[in-house]
Amino acid sequence: DVKVTQSSRYLVKRTGEKVFLECVQDMDHENMFWYRQDPGLGLRLIYFSYDVKMKEKGDIPEGYSVSREKKERFSLILESASTNQTSMYLCASNTAGQVVVGGYTFGSGTRLTVV
Amino acid sequence: GEDVEQSLFLSVREGDSSVINCTYTDSSSTYLYWYKQEPGAGLQLLTYIFSNMDMKQDQRLTVLLNKKDKHLSLRIADTQTGDSAIYFCAESFGGSQGNLIFGKGTKLSVKP
Repeated sequence: DVKVTQSSRYLVKRTGEKVFLECVQDMDHENMFWYRQDPGLGLRLIYFSYDVKMKEKGDIPEGYSVSREKKERFSLILESASTNQTSMYLCASNTAGQVVVGGYTFGSGTRLTVV
Repeated sequence: GEDVEQSLFLSVREGDSSVINCTYTDSSSTYLYWYKQEPGAGLQLLTYIFSNMDMKQDQRLTVLLNKKDKHLSLRIADTQTGDSAIYFCAESFGGSQGNLIFGKGTKLSVKP
């Protein structure tokens, strides 16, 4: 069974801390994505990556960075966490060139609270 | 730019049919998708339809696509309390890279 695994389901961090959210997929997918989900705003794309060491900004990259050193792992980094980054973070992946038959595979999400 | 619109809430009684509607803007979308998100969980692919189809049926689910009006709907027959979730419509764009644009999600509440 294909899987996207996010390392934490719940996380509480203090304002100003550097926060790492980890995502690992076991499907050999080229594309990986980070979204945040907030009530009434749906899913907003933060960053995505088409390949190892490649990254592209999504719609709301400010305050975030990413790292893709290995194909299976895509990390989201909050350089200095702020309370407005309290949210549900969702990681997803899919295969490039597939014209998205089957869409994305999502992880279970990480609910981050910044206090 | 690309946009996907759907209403935010829908409430139905158990046993009734639910219809969740969605409009999209990219007429070149190849596939359109419905995802389901149960409370506290990630999104799961529920069904999808290829853009040259008008309808797709899968057990209690029926997807209708009106390409002329760029309108997509998901009908759930005999809705159960376990169907309570947020349903996201999504369209593909951007060629082979396979990026998806998601709607904001419709929260379906099923009353016993």
